[in-house]
Amino acid sequence: DTAVSQTPKYLVTQMGNDKSIKCEQNLGHDTMYWYKQDSKKFLKIMFSYNNKELIINETVPNRFSPKSPDKAHLNLHINSLELGDSAVYFCASSQVTGVSSYEQYFGPGTRLTVT
Amino acid sequence: SQQGEEDPQALSIQEGENATMNCSYKTSINNLQWYRQNSGRGLVHLILIRSNEREKHSGRLRVTLDTSKKSSSLLITASRAADTASYFCATAPFGNEKLTFGTGTRLTIIP
Repeated sequence: DTAVSQTPKYLVTQMGNDKSIKCEQNLGHDTMYWYKQDSKKFLKIMFSYNNKELIINETVPNRFSPKSPDKAHLNLHINSLELGDSAVYFCASSQVTGVSSYEQYFGPGTRLTVT
Repeated sequence: SQQGEEDPQALSIQEGENATMNCSYKTSINNLQWYRQNSGRGLVHLILIRSNEREKHSGRLRVTLDTSKKSSSLLITASRAADTASYFCATAPFGNEKLTFGTGTRLTIIP
């Protein structure tokens, strides 16, 4: 009965590889997010989708491409991985009405290590 | 630039004591939220306070908001070992659905 789930939990890969992280929420929320948390615990939003439509696209290298097949899923594909991509990636969801942000529900995170 | 800054960066107190964390932000907001992150886990929403509210309570948590000073505080009363975690404030600016998180306060409760 996990609300927001991510797979995999850990991902170790070499530079130059392409990898994907999957996220699913069973809360019926309309909006999903991807965040990156660096080694200093700084959490920064990367993307947000509302009903499968991209609404937030921060300054992120175009090697990162989100895909939302339906409003319950938001996947993150990363091409040509670099050392600096090593971080913990969190998926989150919220029921957003209008322009007011409501509480967000976070997944457990995916720790990506690029060697 | 980052919206929220928490103070202190780290705090250690004895179990049973109260813990206070502060958050300052830079622009006008619609609401401010506090989250907790246990080590190796995702963030958990604790409380949301709207810009027209000054104080809010939830169990052992008390949050205040001073929009004139662009600051908020989170008070945890009668702390427990399970409160050991990092605490983040997050601000939601007007007309913007994006939450911006602060730098976090790492709270350690000593049994």
